[in-house]
Amino acid sequence: EVQLVESGGGLVKPGGSLRVSCAASGFSFSDAWMNWVRQAPGKGLEWVGRIKSITDGGTVDYAAPVKGRFTISREDSKKTLFLQMNSLQSEDTAVYYCMAEDKYWGQGTLVTVSS
Amino acid sequence: DVVMTQSPLSLPVTLGQPASISCRSSQSLVYSDGVTYLNWFQQRPGQSPRRLIYKLSNRDSGVPDRFSGSGSGADFTLTISRVEAEDLGVYYCMQGTHWPITFGQGTRLEIK
Repeated sequence: EVQLVESGGGLVKPGGSLRVSCAASGFSFSDAWMNWVRQAPGKGLEWVGRIKSITDGGTVDYAAPVKGRFTISREDSKKTLFLQMNSLQSEDTAVYYCMAEDKYWGQGTLVTVSS
Repeated sequence: DVVMTQSPLSLPVTLGQPASISCRSSQSLVYSDGVTYLNWFQQRPGQSPRRLIYKLSNRDSGVPDRFSGSGSGADFTLTISRVEAEDLGVYYCMQGTHWPITFGQGTRLEIK
């Protein structure tokens, strides 16, 4: 059974940093292209970024609103995906989901940016 | 960026009746390999999204056959042949043909 479990969300002040993680199991993580998608309270889905598998180059792409502030990385030996978020703003408040191969989703972790 | 426009944004339905959701993209979603990378997701209240349809018209395993995806180019439709109570929630189309990935605004399926 495929499982994606996000963790690390919480309350952070504007301008602060936070790192969230996504632990994967039940599929070949090292071969998967992994995404972060966020959902602001009561709003729709917004793609944040993606990291390709190492065998496909490991390239990382970001959505314009987070480029230069967010960093996606992966540790295949631990089957874990990371999202490092810096210079957080109130507009970054959302549930952050990891999504594997455009198919599997985790339960999400809530990040709240507020003073 | 490719803009995905769904309609309607709210869809009141009667249980047992059909329902259709439209999704239009600002440019063709046919990739250079001939594949249309258009997915449909369902998000039930309080849950994570779940993929129903991938590459335009392929149903994911475990998805009831009352769900179907159709369309071509830049015009797509998700059809539910007979709505059941468990189908209530918000439906999103998503394109993966062009970078960056973009989602539609979502269509809320609710009981009439």
